[in-house]
Formats: sequence, structure tokens, C-alpha cells
Amino acid sequence: KAGVTQTPRYLIKTRGQQVTLSCSPISGHRSVSWYQQTPGQGLQFLFEYFSETQRNKGNFPGRFSGRQFSNSRSEMNVSTLELGDSALYLCASSLEWGGEAFFGQGTRLTVV
Amino acid sequence: GENVEQHPSTLSVQEGDSAVIKCTYSDSASNYFPWYKQELGKRPQLIIDIRSNVGEKKDQRIAVTLNKTAKHFSLHITETQPEDSAVYFCAARSNYGGSQGNLIFGKGTKLSVKP
Repeated sequence: KAGVTQTPRYLIKTRGQQVTLSCSPISGHRSVSWYQQTPGQGLQFLFEYFSETQRNKGNFPGRFSGRQFSNSRSEMNVSTLELGDSALYLCASSLEWGGEAFFGQGTRLTVV
Repeated sequence: GENVEQHPSTLSVQEGDSAVIKCTYSDSASNYFPWYKQELGKRPQLIIDIRSNVGEKKDQRIAVTLNKTAKHFSLHITETQPEDSAVYFCAARSNYGGSQGNLIFGKGTKLSVKP
């Protein structure tokens, strides 16, 4: 069974631009969560989707948004990028809402 | 909301020794406590988890203990090996009458096992 797949693996963007990251969960998993990982702050929760509905949301500004499609794939979007948005963005999938979470390799975003 | 604190932030042990990492949580509604291992440049991997109806769980050289009264849980690694060197994260998830909270992570412990 394929694991959680995130694309792209690396991105370099300029301040002010927007970016879309993609996450394909493990086959059969219906819940997807997104996290921002930085050296100083560790793993910070962004949002969680289950059955195409956002179930939980972290304390990030409205520039961070996401969605989940009917096939459980998820995307997150960051608009008006800032230097501080440079981080590793990880998604995790679970069979059900609240289940064991399995992480993808992440997308390394660098904002210059 | 939930807050998870993890100690120590760095831990260095000799190969063969035991390592213990401790986490405390604030929300008494938390009922699921996983531990993740993240090697350099790799994804976090679930290594063991425990639910609030269990006090201890073991899997070969690793074990997790949970004290609900004190709101803390610990990861124990025995007979450490160099390949155990990594950053370990604890996490907690709350359940509010069937509505699942999100996973809240500790800030991580960098474990170094010296040969």
C-alpha cells in the first residue's frame, strides 16, 4: 500500500506570491491533517479535514486555507507569502477522524 | 485548549543505556497519546501510542506509560542503539463527547546514542 504522498517536495517562492501544496492520503484513509514544522516551533497544527469538511483549525492567519476533495486528496493554499512562512509542511492521513496519523515526506517551502 | 510540554529537549546516552522522555498535558479530556520518531530529513513515524484506558504499553525495546491523574506520559527506550538517534515527539488528542480534537505536539527531544 502506498504511503502518504505530498507534492511538490521542494518549492521556492517570492514574498507576496501564493502557493498550493497537495497531499494524497493512504488509500482508504478519509482524514487529512496539515502541520507546519519549523526548528523553533516544532509541529504546529494547521487544519484537519474529514469527509470534505474542515473539522479542526489551528491558530494561523486566514492566508492559510485548505480543502479536501471527494477522493480524500487535500490541498492547502498560502496566499501573500511572507518570509516567516518558510517551513516544512507535513500532511498526515488517518483511516477515520481521530485515528492513528501517518505522515507524508513533507513539502519544503522556502520564501525569498 | 490543550498544551503539551516535553522534557528534556536534548538527551545523550551511551549505547545500551535506557532513555526516558516525559510529556505533560493540560486537557483532562485528552484520551490518545502517540509518540513519533523523526530521523534527520525524514517524515515523523508513529512508533507507539496509548489510549487513556490503558496505563502501560510495550513493543520490544520501547514502552509508554500514562498517568491520567498527574496528566503525564513517558516514553522508555531500553538497550539503546545508535539507530535510535533521532528527534522524538509526543502528542495528545482530546475527545469532547465524540468530537475529536486535533493532535497537539510537544516540541521534541533530540536523542543521541553514543557508540
